[in-house]
Amino acid sequence: EAGVTQFPSHSVIEKGQTVTLRCDPISGHDNLYWYRRVMGKEIKFLLHFVKESKQDESGMPNNRFLAERTGGTYSTLKVQPAELEDSGVYFCASSYGTASGYGYTFGSGTRLTVV
Amino acid sequence: DAKTTQPPSMDCAEGRAANLPCNHSTISGNEYVYWYRQIHSQGPQYIIHGLKNNETNEMASLIITEDRKSSTLILPHATLRDTAVYYCIVRGQNNAGNMLTFGGGTRLMVKP
Repeated sequence: EAGVTQFPSHSVIEKGQTVTLRCDPISGHDNLYWYRRVMGKEIKFLLHFVKESKQDESGMPNNRFLAERTGGTYSTLKVQPAELEDSGVYFCASSYGTASGYGYTFGSGTRLTVV
Repeated sequence: DAKTTQPPSMDCAEGRAANLPCNHSTISGNEYVYWYRQIHSQGPQYIIHGLKNNETNEMASLIITEDRKSSTLILPHATLRDTAVYYCIVRGQNNAGNMLTFGGGTRLMVKP
């Protein structure tokens, strides 16, 4: 079974530019999550999709961040315009269900550096 | 979700058992204890979870105290590849957010 795949693995962009991160969840997993770790901080939840619908986006830091999941398959997270404080590692995770017993599978992350 | 407290770091000799403690004194009746780990430059990896009974799988064992206020993750024979940050997370069975709340974790260093 293929795992959660994230593209790109690394991205370096200038402040003010736009970057789009992509996540391909495990096939059949309706639940998709985005998390991030900024430098020196803990891993924080960003948002949760159930199929194509946003179930919870309480962790999105501001309106420069836009997440989509067209057709309930892969998801994209766009940062526009990027700021220096957006630098960090962005993780995607997926799960079959949300009740206990369903461990989440995380991707390897996208390391974003804004200069 | 209840808050957890873990020691920031621990060392363990290769081949020996690694016992990682976690306090979750405010855990409520329907909250599960989950353990994840993050090996350098990788995404968090699910290890094990439990409610009140001890659990064991191919990776580890989870011992939860009778009052459920603390638990211990046991890696029976630690290897160098087990060096990672280990996160103890308490999560409700059907909490509305369904997110995982990561704390600082315990940085386990397995030494030869």
